Amino acid sequence: SQELEQSPQSLIVQEGKNLTINCTSSKTLYGLYWYKQKYGEGLIFLMMLQKGGEEKSHEKITAKLDEKKQQSSLHITASQPSHAGIYLCGADASGGGYQKVTFGTGTKLQVIP
Amino acid sequence: DTEVTQTPKHLVMGMTNKKSLKCEQHMGHRAMYWYKQKAKKPPELMFVYSYEKLSINESVPSRFSPECPNSSLLNLHLHALQPEDSALYLCASSLVRGLDEQYFGPGTRLTVT
Repeated sequence: SQELEQSPQSLIVQEGKNLTINCTSSKTLYGLYWYKQKYGEGLIFLMMLQKGGEEKSHEKITAKLDEKKQQSSLHITASQPSHAGIYLCGADASGGGYQKVTFGTGTKLQVIP
Repeated sequence: DTEVTQTPKHLVMGMTNKKSLKCEQHMGHRAMYWYKQKAKKPPELMFVYSYEKLSINESVPSRFSPECPNSSLLNLHLHALQPEDSALYLCASSLVRGLDEQYFGPGTRLTVT
């Protein structure tokens, strides 16, 4: 089965600092999702990457997919307290197109004002 | 309306009880999902419905019984649960079963006593 390892497990940054979260897959990535979750709440969709080399940005968050390395990174520029939460990467574990999403181990982000 | 709603928000039940979780969306999505999330762990897929038909059952014990009465509604019937079934149960939906973003509900916090 596919496993997604995220690093770091947790991160504490000062407001205004940049940060990067990585997600590494044990198998070929057919599609990679990034979600954010506040404790005990539902997941909020951030971005989906489908092709190797693809890069997407939304507000201060940029995600990239490196198909060869079976890895994705999520970069937050000038972090704010509103960025705090748990970031989860998710990948299609069924070989493409079936929405059987496996989630990564999660990265807990705290932003200190 | 880009919302997935779940009721109840919290549920406490005994091991001999029968209860149901409800999930609703009015976005015209034809794929719906149930996930289980234990504390400090990522969500784990339980069931996938596509066009009101069960398409994936991740070897979930029969004490969990899903039902999709129509394209907007997804239920999870619970019977004879164990304390280890206590978790956050998340519902999600996507346009179709494929590489589409999943919209998540806020979850039902279930405690089995």
